[in-house]
Amino acid sequence: GNSVTQMEGPVTLSEEAFLTINCTYTATGYPSLFWYVQYPGEGLQLLLKATKADDKGSNKGFEATYRKETTSFHLEKGSVQVSDSAVYFCALLLGGSNYKLTFGKGTLLTVNP
Amino acid sequence: GAGVSQSPSNKVTEKGKDVELRCDPISGHTALYWYRQRLGQGLEFLIYFQGNSAPDKSGLPSDRFSAERTGESVSTLTIQRTQQEDSAVYLCASSSSGGANEKLFFGSGTQLSVL
Repeated sequence: GNSVTQMEGPVTLSEEAFLTINCTYTATGYPSLFWYVQYPGEGLQLLLKATKADDKGSNKGFEATYRKETTSFHLEKGSVQVSDSAVYFCALLLGGSNYKLTFGKGTLLTVNP
Repeated sequence: GAGVSQSPSNKVTEKGKDVELRCDPISGHTALYWYRQRLGQGLEFLIYFQGNSAPDKSGLPSDRFSAERTGESVSTLTIQRTQQEDSAVYLCASSSSGGANEKLFFGSGTQLSVL
């Protein structure tokens, strides 16, 4: 079956530190890959996505590259801010629907000033 | 409305009681989805509505779980005879028309605790 494994948290960083949250996947096919973010008290929001191998998704300074050879989609940011503190979810989507996402368990990021 | 709204934000209930969770999608969105996240797990798909019909109920875990939607508006997820393993965050999402490439807009969820 399909699955997503992401780095367990919590992750605590100082402001301006480099961030990597690892995500690997298993899928029977060629999925689209996503990172969602949930800020405190808010709903999940799409952060970025990539739909095919070697695509790079980017948004708000975050980047992730779809690596088919390593079945990975690691999230990176060069310099985190306190406002980036949130839970980050990696997810994949296969097939013709837009909703049968397979999510990872989430990684809590806390950025201290 | 401006976003997907869910109520209540927190619900504590006793084992064996029934609970109803409510979702107000973004106005005009015909597609609505329910997910749940149990502690330490990823999100699990429960059910998908297109208008007031549910073409995909494949994620409902048992017959204690049901959902309905009135027109293209509010949806209610009902859990009968709650069990402790039902404790989770229940998330609702909506999208414009359910197309394959559409973005999902999520609510902030209902935290259900079954004692």
